[in-house]
Amino acid sequence: DIQMTQSPSSLSASVGDRVTITCRASQSISNFLNWYQQKPGKAPKLLIYAASSLQSGVPSTFSGSGSGTDFTLTISSLQPEDFATYYCQQSYSTPRTFGQGTKVEIK
Amino acid sequence: EVQLVESGGGLVQPGGSLRLSCAASGFTVSSNYMNWVRQAPGKGLEWVSVIYSGGSTYYADSVKGRFTISRDNSKNTLYLQMNSLRDEDTAVYYCARETLNWYLDYWGQGTLVTVSS
Repeated sequence: DIQMTQSPSSLSASVGDRVTITCRASQSISNFLNWYQQKPGKAPKLLIYAASSLQSGVPSTFSGSGSGTDFTLTISSLQPEDFATYYCQQSYSTPRTFGQGTKVEIK
Repeated sequence: EVQLVESGGGLVQPGGSLRLSCAASGFTVSSNYMNWVRQAPGKGLEWVSVIYSGGSTYYADSVKGRFTISRDNSKNTLYLQMNSLRDEDTAVYYCARETLNWYLDYWGQGTLVTVSS
């Protein structure tokens, strides 16, 4: 099984900050990497697919990059509604494993 | 409009069984890959199972041999039959549609399964 490791597990940031979350796969997954946002009590929401493609309706402050084993989710200017937990997921093979999550909190 | 609505969750004793349903609208379940993902209280997301449009099924090791994913094309509904339930199966269970480009674009609201004596 492919293991997905996110870092950091949590971070504190202020509105307007640039935030970067990293996801590393235990083996190459090409660009089969997706990012989701989850708020408390809600279902996850797709942000980025295929490592760098922005899902329709997602603000352009979100971006993704990377290929192979190392990937990054960047929020260029953190907004109040962006405080949430973020998960990466590989779709290269089954099982479709998720990272452990990164909680973005208000500083 | 695409919608996924889960049902069937509840309290069950260890060793018991439960069947979750996921009623879909706005698209055809049998033409898509459909997944179950769960989240234990206060924990992260855990992929559980997928059924491909061709009918192939796959499971996480943690549920293999105990859970069965299926669909009813006439009802446009996805199911998860859960047997031999354990305390560690306690979670919110989400169904989610997987596109042909390999990402989960629509999710249900989730249904809570509590395994406890």
